[in-house]
Amino acid sequence: EVQLLESGGGLVQPGGSLRLSCAASGFTFSSYSMTWVRQAPGKGLEWVSTITDNSVSALYADSVKGRFTISRDNSKTTLYLQMNSLRVEDTAVYYCAKYYDDRGSIFDPWGQGTLVTVSS
Amino acid sequence: EIVLTQSPATLSLSPGERATLSCRASQSVDTQLAWYQQKPGQAPRLVIYDAFNRATGVPARFGGSGSGTDFTLTISSLEPEDFAVYYCQHRRSWPPNFGGGTRVEIQ
Repeated sequence: EVQLLESGGGLVQPGGSLRLSCAASGFTFSSYSMTWVRQAPGKGLEWVSTITDNSVSALYADSVKGRFTISRDNSKTTLYLQMNSLRVEDTAVYYCAKYYDDRGSIFDPWGQGTLVTVSS
Repeated sequence: EIVLTQSPATLSLSPGERATLSCRASQSVDTQLAWYQQKPGQAPRLVIYDAFNRATGVPARFGGSGSGTDFTLTISSLEPEDFAVYYCQHRRSWPPNFGGGTRVEIQ
């Protein structure tokens, strides 16, 4: 069974940093692209970032470009999201998700999410 | 970037009724559209991919249709567990945007 377990969320002041982790199991992690999607309280889903299986390519939403960095450690089957210069509007539940296959951005399954709160 | 518009925002129906949810794209996404279900306090779950393919374990009462810019998710006969928020999402280009969601609530 595929399992994705996010951690690292919490309360941080504006301008601060946080690193999220997503521990993966139940599949060959190194063979799949992975993604982060966030959801602000009471709002819809927003794609944040994607990284390919071999880390050659990483893409970002304009809203986080230059502030967030996605990475992965295939030996540890873990996905990361380094978040710097955090803003109040970055407050959200952050989900990691596995790419369904190699045809493109189909996300399945998703982790349970970790809450990031940016507030002074 | 491609914008997805979902309608209606809220659908109030009774168990056993048919639900029809719409997703319209600002430009063609071919059939590169997925639907996700999200229940309160839970992560989203893939329901339909590539416009009409049911994800593993999804009941046959869920059906997807459409191509180009207009898509529909149909739930033929609502079960109590189907009341949730549904999001469409395209993979035609970057960024792979989501629609704003349709809430299916019990009337």
